[in-house]
Amino acid sequence: AQSVTQLDSQVPVFEEAPVELRCNYSSSVSVYLFWYVQYPNQGLQLLLKYLSGSTLVESINGFEAEFNKSQTSFHLRKPSVHISDTAEYFCAVSFGGGYQKVTFGTGTKLQVIP
Amino acid sequence: DAGVTQSPTHLIKTRGQQVTLRCSPKSGHDTVSWYQQALGQGPQFIFQYYEEEERQRGNFPDRFSGHQFPNYSSELNVNALLLGDSALYLCASSPSPSREQYFGPGTRLTVT
Repeated sequence: AQSVTQLDSQVPVFEEAPVELRCNYSSSVSVYLFWYVQYPNQGLQLLLKYLSGSTLVESINGFEAEFNKSQTSFHLRKPSVHISDTAEYFCAVSFGGGYQKVTFGTGTKLQVIP
Repeated sequence: DAGVTQSPTHLIKTRGQQVTLRCSPKSGHDTVSWYQQALGQGPQFIFQYYEEEERQRGNFPDRFSGHQFPNYSSELNVNALLLGDSALYLCASSPSPSREQYFGPGTRLTVT
């Protein structure tokens, strides 16, 4: 069965500390992988995406994610978080590639502690 | 350039009623997708409209229906509302069905 799993519902971390938000998926077909961020009372914003090519992808605000095909993972990392990173982060997968019918994980709330 | 807009921002309805939510896509986008995000959950795909037709559908009952107009805007209709339909409804638009989606701010629906 095709699924997306975010094991951590909440991740508290001190400001300037590193963070990793985990995402695993189950699929027998090719995938597109995404991380979205949702700030309180707002819609989703695309943070970064993996379509093909280099397995390490980066965002403009310091986040990065690495596609690991053997472990079917796409973990999100940041070496030093800021208060402004406090938000909910969703991993999403398009099974079979493309952008149609994207399947989202249940989300991880990142709480940055001053 | 305006992004994806949705109306209304908030809505309160009673069980059994019907509701219509509206979405205007980003300029230059012709494809609209709708998602339901229940509290504490990730968004779930409802359906996608392209060329005024429903092209893909998620696992939602027929009470959920939609429409796309010639100007590419879209409506989501939900009949016979249930308490469980309370959620944030997100609209996403893209330049084509195979291109990246951009999300609107959502409509918060509360069913009492």
